[in-house]
Amino acid sequence: ETGVTQTPRHLVMGMTNKKSLKCEQHLGHNAMYWYKQSAKKPLELMFVYSLEERVENNSVPSRFSPECPNSSHLFLHLHTLQPEDSALYLCASSQEAGGGYEQFFGPGTRLTVL
Amino acid sequence: AQKITQTQPGMFVQEKEAVTLDCTYDTSDPSYGLFWYKQPSSGEMIFLIYQGSYDQQNATEGRYSLNFQKARKSANLVISASQLGDSAMYFCAMREGRYNQGGKLIFGQGTELSVKP
Repeated sequence: ETGVTQTPRHLVMGMTNKKSLKCEQHLGHNAMYWYKQSAKKPLELMFVYSLEERVENNSVPSRFSPECPNSSHLFLHLHTLQPEDSALYLCASSQEAGGGYEQFFGPGTRLTVL
Repeated sequence: AQKITQTQPGMFVQEKEAVTLDCTYDTSDPSYGLFWYKQPSSGEMIFLIYQGSYDQQNATEGRYSLNFQKARKSANLVISASQLGDSAMYFCAMREGRYNQGGKLIFGQGTELSVKP
């Protein structure tokens, strides 16, 4: 595997379900990010982890819960979502302090909440 | 206030011609970075080019170049010799501040580019 991978690629869930999105980066980076991309809107940053520590929580509802067990893996735990949470969820990674600073993105998980 | 503005929701270009995608930004931080990403219909965001606020020369990467006009706060993307595979959404993004602890990218609303054969 190379780059940034995300699973699943597509997810349909009910409002009462609990699911998790997984992201893995194979680039040796030390920062990881979750973004939300809704139709007709710019990408919105949700969470930033740097050296496995959360450094940004961008006023995201508590029904989204991130987890970063190590520098290569990032999860987004979902529970009791709303239909307006349907979107493309993108994970990214970057190398901070000495890297090129560009963020490399995964292919995204397209989430539909019924 | 919107920090990144892309005023062209959609653009058309003939294959093999050059096209410029506009981006203006707003920041009071002297240290910032500007990025362009391409998003095909598959959804993945592909990094294209980066310009640092202190870079003296315009960035270039193959057929992509960034027309950086600091005084005007603009960072337009120029794609030369357009190809059919260039059809996609293009996003301009900015990162402010020091690069030491995770970077917050602020994205524009995007421009949808369609390349005509």
